[in-house]
Amino acid sequence: DVQLVESGGGLVQPGGSLRLSCAASEFIFSNYWMNWVRQAPGKGLEWVANIKQDGSEKSYVDSVKGRFTISRDNAKKSLYLEMNSLRVEDTAVYYCAGGDGWLCRAWGQGTLVIVSS
Amino acid sequence: DIVMTQSPESLAVSLGERATINCKSSQTVLHRSYKEHFLAWYQQKPGQPPKLLIHGASTRDSGVPDRFSGSGSGTDFTLTISSLQAEDVAVYYCHQYLSAPLTFGGGSKVEIK
Repeated sequence: DVQLVESGGGLVQPGGSLRLSCAASEFIFSNYWMNWVRQAPGKGLEWVANIKQDGSEKSYVDSVKGRFTISRDNAKKSLYLEMNSLRVEDTAVYYCAGGDGWLCRAWGQGTLVIVSS
Repeated sequence: DIVMTQSPESLAVSLGERATINCKSSQTVLHRSYKEHFLAWYQQKPGQPPKLLIHGASTRDSGVPDRFSGSGSGTDFTLTISSLQAEDVAVYYCHQYLSAPLTFGGGSKVEIK
């Protein structure tokens, strides 16, 4: 079974930074676009960013542009999300997800980010 | 941006009865080259990540029970659960993966009547 495991979440003050990681196993990581999707407490799903197989193309939702950076290391089968200038409204469970093209077929269990003073 | 609008926000259905959820996109989600609608449906149970049910508007993912079906074209899509089971209680989301930013519907909560 495909496994995606996120880590790096936690409590951070507004304006702070955090780096999320997602480790893949049983998954030909380098074959797939990868995504970050978040879910604020009690709310729906919001796509955050994605990155092409070789890292040459990246897209972001407008609300995180200039603050978040998605990256990947195919040798380590890992996906990252560098989050800077964090805001209270960035509080959410962050999921990594990947699959064929932009379709999110496999999902991790998520990591919780809380931005609060 | 393609806006995805789901209805109803919640529905209560008796066990064994049909549940129907609608999703409307603000623009077509038809990929012209693939001739396929880049429209997916997910199921999310409390405390769990979303699970892919349907992609390409009507193709069930591997292992998904055949009581789940997707239909529609253009900008109007439907998820149908033909005979609701207790384990189907969840929130269901439609999702377009045609163009960035990828977007989700607001979710439809399915409960037992």
